[in-house]
Amino acid sequence: EVQVVESGGDLVQPGGSLRLSCAASGFTFSRYWMSWVRQAPGKGLEWVANIKEDGSEKYYVDSVKGRFTISRDNANNSLYLQMNSLRAEDTAVYYCARDRAVAGRFCLDTWGQGTPVTVSS
Amino acid sequence: AIQMTQSPSSLSASVGDRVTITCRASQGIRNDLGWYQQKPGQAPKVLIYAASSLQTGVPSRFSGSGSGTDFTLTISSLQPEDFATYYCLQDYNYPWTFGQGTKVEIK
Repeated sequence: EVQVVESGGDLVQPGGSLRLSCAASGFTFSRYWMSWVRQAPGKGLEWVANIKEDGSEKYYVDSVKGRFTISRDNANNSLYLQMNSLRAEDTAVYYCARDRAVAGRFCLDTWGQGTPVTVSS
Repeated sequence: AIQMTQSPSSLSASVGDRVTITCRASQGIRNDLGWYQQKPGQAPKVLIYAASSLQTGVPSRFSGSGSGTDFTLTISSLQPEDFATYYCLQDYNYPWTFGQGTKVEIK
């Protein structure tokens, strides 16, 4: 079964750091781009970042640039999101998703259940 | 960043109704658009990618159309399990951006 499972969400103080993990299984992880998407409480979805199959390309939403870093470990089928200088507005459920490319078009076709991050003093 | 504007923000419909949701991009995005369904407490699920391609396993009552700046998601005959929030997502350029969502409620 193709699946991704997030972990690492927690309560953290403003200015603090947190590292989220996403464990992939059931597919050849190294052949897919991967994304992080977040959802603040009661709000809509926000794409956060993604990373190419080999980690050579990374893209971010402007609000996290310079604070968040996406990375991956293909040997261990794992995706990460290092979050530094956290702010109250980063409070959200963070989803890991597989980016499936079909004829040059992307599709977030597999999602985890999400891991909650709360930034509060 | 490209802004995606969905309309309506919410709608009430009955089982069996035909439902149409629109998404407008602030600039042309070819057909680089997907539609996602999210039910309360669940992760999103892709319905449509590349504007009109039906994801495997998604019922054929869902369809997508459009190109450039204007896109439509249509549910031909609303079923009880379709009451959810729907989002469009452009993957034409970075940062990818979602619409604000359309909540489909029971009339």
